[in-house]
Amino acid sequence: DSGVTQTPKHLITATGQRVTLRCSPRSGDLSVYWYQQSLDQGLQFLIQYYNGEERAKGNILERFSAQQFPDLHSELNLSSLELGDSALYFCASSVEQREVHEQYFGPGTRLTVT
Amino acid sequence: ELKVEQNPLFLSMQEGKNYTIYCNYSTTSDRLYWYRQDPGKSLESLFVLLSNGAVKQEGRLMASLDTKARLSTLHITAAVHDLSATYFCAVDPWTGNLIFGKGTKLSVKP
Repeated sequence: DSGVTQTPKHLITATGQRVTLRCSPRSGDLSVYWYQQSLDQGLQFLIQYYNGEERAKGNILERFSAQQFPDLHSELNLSSLELGDSALYFCASSVEQREVHEQYFGPGTRLTVT
Repeated sequence: ELKVEQNPLFLSMQEGKNYTIYCNYSTTSDRLYWYRQDPGKSLESLFVLLSNGAVKQEGRLMASLDTKARLSTLHITAAVHDLSATYFCAVDPWTGNLIFGKGTKLSVKP
């Protein structure tokens, strides 16, 4: 158990819908990262937040957005869902943004779009 | 664009044998990570390599980093079935986020 929690574990929804994935980082970690894992694209970095501020963006679609709240939990919002958005979404956390610390991964949310 | 290439992508080994997984990356970095993922599970951190020449060992796994060659290796000694999993290397290109290789799916058979 990494100490990073994600809810829900599974999500099944229809195309065109909107969902919110939630992540709570390890106690004391200020950085939260979101990754998408799919069979064809592999593990891709989506976005990073540090202490409430967006710090880095990766291959995140415009239909996706995220935020980090004052209590440091983060939410990833996915809208106008398409079949291709079906994937495993991981949240990871680390202590500081640019220090060399390991990223600890949560259990993931498996999203299925039908 | 930073690229991280692992090979092989699939590896079928017999128990007791040795093998090496290679991870090449295309930009300057001295921060490299190895993760393990079991089917349907999360990523478990195995090794953090932070400098040229770094070598770390845990049980039957040993990881090394050559930043000049932009190469990391994960060596498996006397493989056992419990090591069957997918292994990922990931590079931090000084931005904090990780760029992952495609993973090496390891299957250890008796």
